[in-house]
Amino acid sequence: QQQVKQSPQSLIVQKGGISIINCAYENTAFDYFPWYQQFPGKGPALLIAIRPDVSEKKEGRFTISFNKSAKQFSLHIMDSQPGDSATYFCAASMTGGGADGLTFGKGTHLIIQP
Amino acid sequence: DTAVSQTPKYLVTQMGNDKSIKCEQNLGHDTMYWYKQDSKKFLKIMFSYNNKELIINETVPNRFSPKSPDKAHLNLHINSLELGDSAVYFCASSRDSYSPLHFGNGTRLTVT
Repeated sequence: QQQVKQSPQSLIVQKGGISIINCAYENTAFDYFPWYQQFPGKGPALLIAIRPDVSEKKEGRFTISFNKSAKQFSLHIMDSQPGDSATYFCAASMTGGGADGLTFGKGTHLIIQP
Repeated sequence: DTAVSQTPKYLVTQMGNDKSIKCEQNLGHDTMYWYKQDSKKFLKIMFSYNNKELIINETVPNRFSPKSPDKAHLNLHINSLELGDSAVYFCASSRDSYSPLHFGNGTRLTVT
């Protein structure tokens, strides 16, 4: 049973465009929603995270939009660059980081074409 | 100055063997984790340790056993390896249960 559903599985965006990755969750007890970025041969690295008390969080070119009623959240990458090409994972947790462990989506392979 | 380091990076072994993967973190974190990433890149938690006590244990075979000699180390022992154990195993740590996870660069295990 997958508790966090992520789409699309792969995404190709032109340089300078907006990359959008969507996630939906089922467990209403989740209260922490991070996005991780993974490059080939490396471990996932935290990109940005949000808690359900806010609807949007922005850090540089990266924005999380959160819709609590729809149980959905998304990652927007503005002005996408070739260096953003990576696999992106959304995740959810009931205890922050956390003690229960992160439940990950299945990942989105993002390619930014020059 | 690697924060979370794993050894070895690659591990090739035959079915039935017993192997270990080592993990060390120099961040002073209290909680450490093991995650498994399968061939489709799906990440799933296996174990976590907080102050040397196992606090969660997902439904993994008991052939897998985490060992934590101290707060900075969490090793993963695997007995009687099977073909299906082939995956990338990631160690991670966090300051506490409410802080972000820091992942190592993974150990690619191949069972032949």
